[in-house]
Amino acid sequence: KAGVTQTPRYLIKTRGQQVTLSCSPISGHRSVSWYQQTPGQGLQFLFEYFSETQRNKGNFPGRFSGRQFSNSRSEMNVSTLELGDSALYLCASHSRLDTGELFFGEGSRLTVL
Amino acid sequence: GENVEQHPSTLSVQEGDSAVIKCTYSDSASNYFPWYKQELGKRPQLIIDIRSNVGEKKDQRIAVTLNKTAKHFSLHITETQPEDSAVYFCAASKSGGSNYKLTFGKGTLLTVNP
Repeated sequence: KAGVTQTPRYLIKTRGQQVTLSCSPISGHRSVSWYQQTPGQGLQFLFEYFSETQRNKGNFPGRFSGRQFSNSRSEMNVSTLELGDSALYLCASHSRLDTGELFFGEGSRLTVL
Repeated sequence: GENVEQHPSTLSVQEGDSAVIKCTYSDSASNYFPWYKQELGKRPQLIIDIRSNVGEKKDQRIAVTLNKTAKHFSLHITETQPEDSAVYFCAASKSGGSNYKLTFGKGTLLTVNP
């Protein structure tokens, strides 16, 4: 079956702009999580969605938001970009019926200039 | 909230040697402990996990041990090979319930020298 798909893979923005990242989970997976990966901080949890509802949220400012659609696809948005938002944003899907494994996408690498 | 500490941050071993990576967690309610491997430029992938009702789990050259009393768990890789070179992340969560969140350690860069 197809894996988790994230778009775009790479993007460059300037400070103050906003960005929207998209994630299509594995077919049948209804839970989608987002993580920010940076060299110094590792993988940090942003939020999790299940059946279009945000179930859990990490310690990120309100500039970071997300949503999930009825087909389980998810988007995350970062507004008023800052230099420190430069990172790899990873989406992961989870079936909630199996062992607990997260299946990650390739990520969207955001560079803020 | 949960906090996961991982050591060492870098580890270099000779091919054939063993490698051990250790993690501690803070929330005694955590009950699921996975390990992810991330090769350079690739996505993290689960390599092994353990639940709180088990003390040890093995899968070929990889094993994980869990000490719930001390709140620490470790990854053991035996007979290391160059293809084991990657960043390894430990994580902890309280699985089940209405939410699902993994708290990751900051990672260990393992280099296996031929």
